[in-house]
Amino acid sequence: RKEVEQDPGPFNVPEGATVAFNCTYSNSASQSFFWYRQDCRKEPKLLMSVYSSGNEDGRFTAQLNRASQYISLLIRDSKLSDSATYLCVVAYNYGQNFVFGPGTRLSVLP
Amino acid sequence: EAGVAQSPRYKIIEKRQSVAFWCNPISGHATLYWYQQILGQGPKLLIQFQNNGVVDDSQLPKDRFSAERLKGVDSTLKIQPAKLEDSAVYLCASSPIERSTGELFFGEGSRLTVL
Repeated sequence: RKEVEQDPGPFNVPEGATVAFNCTYSNSASQSFFWYRQDCRKEPKLLMSVYSSGNEDGRFTAQLNRASQYISLLIRDSKLSDSATYLCVVAYNYGQNFVFGPGTRLSVLP
Repeated sequence: EAGVAQSPRYKIIEKRQSVAFWCNPISGHATLYWYQQILGQGPKLLIQFQNNGVVDDSQLPKDRFSAERLKGVDSTLKIQPAKLEDSAVYLCASSPIERSTGELFFGEGSRLTVL
């Protein structure tokens, strides 16, 4: 079983749609959780951290369920500029070791 | 603040040839990572340095890959001899030793094609 798994995608949605990404992780020692965004042929960049209480940043909401070892990302009112690959990342060893999921590609269509 | 610098951006070689990639992390960042990203997959850690010491190289194919970080600043990753399956983007990332945000700062990557 892979350490971090994500929805295989791709997701093709119209502008304005709400889209949800799911991620599961196998290492119960994981301590920190993140969503990164990677544009085509670019490097990954941090989108947001994920906290146990859930957190929101504008149109983006991230949730963490430690008991189920499950992380989610919700994007509301999708924009064309949201088209990218979304990478689920878990960290352990006090945030020194990062494991990336395979990513889920999103295409927002006009 | 200057970001993570990598070179070359692109490299095409024949199988069994050798190649080297260079990375200069953000100034003051103690931790440096080399990731391999094959098309359609997430980045996979090859090696992690803290200052000039290796923290994790468990997934580095040591029969053909080597990396060093002399003086705890910039780093080189070498592949010798290259195989077709080494075609990938090699991403260098750095982070400060303080884990306040958990953010990795990536360079633009070095895209390797092995023919």
